[in-house]
Amino acid sequence: DADVTQTPRNRITKTGKRIMLECSQTKGHDRMYWYRQDPGLGLRLIYYSFDVKDINKGEISDGYSVSRQAQAKFSLSLESAIPNQTALYFCATSDQYRDGYTFGSGTRLTVV
Amino acid sequence: EDQVTQSPEALRLQEGESSSLNCSYTVSGLRGLFWYRQDPGKGPEFLFTLYSAGEEKEKERLKATLTKKESFLHITAPKPEDSATYLCAVQASGANNLFFGTGTRLTVIP
Repeated sequence: DADVTQTPRNRITKTGKRIMLECSQTKGHDRMYWYRQDPGLGLRLIYYSFDVKDINKGEISDGYSVSRQAQAKFSLSLESAIPNQTALYFCATSDQYRDGYTFGSGTRLTVV
Repeated sequence: EDQVTQSPEALRLQEGESSSLNCSYTVSGLRGLFWYRQDPGKGPEFLFTLYSAGEEKEKERLKATLTKKESFLHITAPKPEDSATYLCAVQASGANNLFFGTGTRLTVIP
């Protein structure tokens, strides 16, 4: 099994729909992150969490919300999806900065 | 404002043809510089962390170096399996996250 598992792998949804992307990890890491990747823009941080009671906005949090259900689970929600939220979404975890991040395989989201 | 610029955007090499990828950065106090490899349809895979100018790290055909303004990822005698996008990221002192560049897409032709 993968250390960081994201579900679903692919999703097509309609404008205005609410959608949740899920992430679970078996690394035992405290810190979890949600990034978005767009061609030509690189990875941009949406939200991050350093423990179950800690949630922080990243550089592009508008239109998104998150929930840290447990140390191992961190979900990302789009309350009302819009087409420019079409992107590749990655969840990542870390224990301490010197170890770098462990990324999931990503969720490809298309909003039509 | 933190900034990471990677060049070139894309690079095609013949198998065995060594080259270097560049990552230029501007950050208010560098805590660490990270290199990742990303294959199509997959998440980035951690390669190296560099912390101070002059530091070098090696792994198989890859060698990463760091100066006060940039980092290089040297690829020696690349093989087709080295084809991937290579991402550079920085973490500023006091920051809680990594700031990524847009990557260099490397293609190694047999």
